[in-house]
Amino acid sequence: EVELLQSGGDLVQPGGSLRLSCAASGFSFSTCDMSWVRQAPGKGLEWISSIDYSGARTAYADSVRGRFTISRDNSKNMLSLHMNSLRGEDTAVYYCARDPNWHPDWGQGTQVTVSS
Amino acid sequence: DVVMTQFPLYLPVTLGQPASISCRASQSLLHTDGRTFLSWFHQRPGQSPRRLIYQVSNRDSGVPDRFSGSGSGTDFTLIISRVEADDVGVYYCMQGTHWAPGIKFGPGTKVDI
Repeated sequence: EVELLQSGGDLVQPGGSLRLSCAASGFSFSTCDMSWVRQAPGKGLEWISSIDYSGARTAYADSVRGRFTISRDNSKNMLSLHMNSLRGEDTAVYYCARDPNWHPDWGQGTQVTVSS
Repeated sequence: DVVMTQFPLYLPVTLGQPASISCRASQSLLHTDGRTFLSWFHQRPGQSPRRLIYQVSNRDSGVPDRFSGSGSGTDFTLIISRVEADDVGVYYCMQGTHWAPGIKFGPGTKVDI
């Protein structure tokens, strides 16, 4: 059974940093592109970053480029999102997703709250 | 960048009646490999999104056949043939054809009875 188990969400002060993790199991992680999507309170879905299966190619939304870094460790079946210089508008539920073009699998979501 | 729009943004429905949601992309979603990466998702409050349709018209496993998708190029439609109470929530279209600029979601259509 495919599982994407997320962790790392927390309350953090503006300007702070946080790392989100997404532990994958039940499929060949090293052959799948992965993405992060977030949803601010009462808002729609916003794609924020993708990484190809090897980690060689990444893409970011303008809203996070230069502050967030997506990475993966294929030896540990782990996807990460390093978030720096956090702002109030980064407050959201963050989801990891297994290549949404090809697979229906999403994590359970993790809450990130940026507030002083 | 590709911009995704949906219409309507709010859709009141009647149980047992059909419902339709439109999605439009600012540029063609036809990939160079011949596929069109347009998906539809359904989300209930407090839940992760659930993909219903991928590559325009393919239903995901376990999705009732009352859901169908159609379209090509820039214009796409999700149809619910007979609305059931379980279908309430927000529906999003998503383009994944243009990977480098990034996946894009439509603004969402709230379906309510």
